[in-house]
Amino acid sequence: EIVLTQSPDTLSLSPGERATLSCRASQSVSSYLAWYQQKPGQAPRLLIKDASDRATGIPARFSGSGSGTDFTLTISSLEPEDFAIYYCQQRSDKISFGPGTKVHI
Amino acid sequence: EVRLVESGGGLVKPGESLIISCAASGFTFETYSMNWVRQAPGRGLEWVSSIGYSGIDIRYADSVKGRFTISRDNAKNSLSLQMNSLRAEDTAMYYCARGHYGDLFDWFDSWGQGTLVTVSS
Repeated sequence: EIVLTQSPDTLSLSPGERATLSCRASQSVSSYLAWYQQKPGQAPRLLIKDASDRATGIPARFSGSGSGTDFTLTISSLEPEDFAIYYCQQRSDKISFGPGTKVHI
Repeated sequence: EVRLVESGGGLVKPGESLIISCAASGFTFETYSMNWVRQAPGRGLEWVSSIGYSGIDIRYADSVKGRFTISRDNAKNSLSLQMNSLRAEDTAMYYCARGHYGDLFDWFDSWGQGTLVTVSS
């Protein structure tokens, strides 16, 4: 079973600042990693697939990088609507999610 | 527009059964893998089960294997999850989600709004 860990647990930032979120896999997942955003009371939304490929309609301020076991989601300049919980997911071996990082003001 | 609408959630007692469903529209259902993902109150996301486009390939999380059964009806554009021997720890919002590439294990590019299953005596 591949375990994903995310850091930090929470991130306190202001609009306009840069957010850097990390996801680490217990074993290599190659580039089989995605990032999701979830706002309160809403379903998750796919942001990044295949480690660095933005999903349809996702703004360019969201970017993903990494391969193997270490991955990063970067939000270049936070907009008010970006304050949410972010999850990483792997599909290299079955499917698992990380515990999430909450980005708040 | 892709639309996934879950139904069938509710309050059940431990040990009881429940079937939840997902009605799909706005895309060619029979060409996509489909999935159930759940989220316990205040907790993170947990993958539950995946079914391939034809319904032949199926996988389950260890936490539900032997108790839950996923199925699909491509003629009716619907996905179902039969849940037996329900436990308190199965209490969660259950989301139906579409696989992006059509692979059995995939990215989830469209989600329903979820149906809440509560298991309590």
